[in-house]
Amino acid sequence: DAGVIQSPRHEVTEMGQEVTLRCKPISGHDYLFWYRQTMMRGLELLIYFNNNVPIDDSGMPEDRFSAKMPNASFSTLKIQPSEPRDSAVYFCASSYGSMNTEAFFGQGTRLTVV
Amino acid sequence: GENVEQHPSTLSVQEGDSAVIKCTYSDSASNYFPWYKQELGKRPQLIIDIRSNVGEKKDQRIAVTLNKTAKHFSLHITETQPEDSAVYFCAANGPIDSGYALNFGKGTSLLVTP
Repeated sequence: DAGVIQSPRHEVTEMGQEVTLRCKPISGHDYLFWYRQTMMRGLELLIYFNNNVPIDDSGMPEDRFSAKMPNASFSTLKIQPSEPRDSAVYFCASSYGSMNTEAFFGQGTRLTVV
Repeated sequence: GENVEQHPSTLSVQEGDSAVIKCTYSDSASNYFPWYKQELGKRPQLIIDIRSNVGEKKDQRIAVTLNKTAKHFSLHITETQPEDSAVYFCAANGPIDSGYALNFGKGTSLLVTP
């Protein structure tokens, strides 16, 4: 398995534009997590899914953020409209069987909103 | 919710010395405590984890200790090498109303100088 795959690796967009980040979890994993990493706030959990169902989205900062998981092998995180303060590295991670096992992270998407 | 504090934020040691990173957590129900290593520009990767039914776990040069009474846990790296230089994150699982999602500390930037 190639691990968790995220795309794009880098995204530069103008304020107000829609941004869609993509994630393919490890095959067979039933948990998928979206994290945001900034220097000021560290690693923050935005939302996680279990068996494609969103379980906890309390970390999603605003209604501008939305996430979907239409099937077991694909998830998206969308920001609409984007703002400069959304600039961060967004990680997707997946795990198998439990919240409390190793989470495998993707390479991340570095988002810059200008 | 769970609050994980991590100290120090930066740590510089000479090659061959030991490094210790400490974390505290607030939720007495937390029972899973992983440590992740993130090299510059890379994804976080699990290096060791401990569950609340043990007080210590060791894997070669890395060890983690857990004091449930005091609600703190520590990462110990012995015989440090330059390739240990990275940011280290501790985490603890959160309360049930968060689905036991992991909460991460802010990270410790470790520099091992030759």
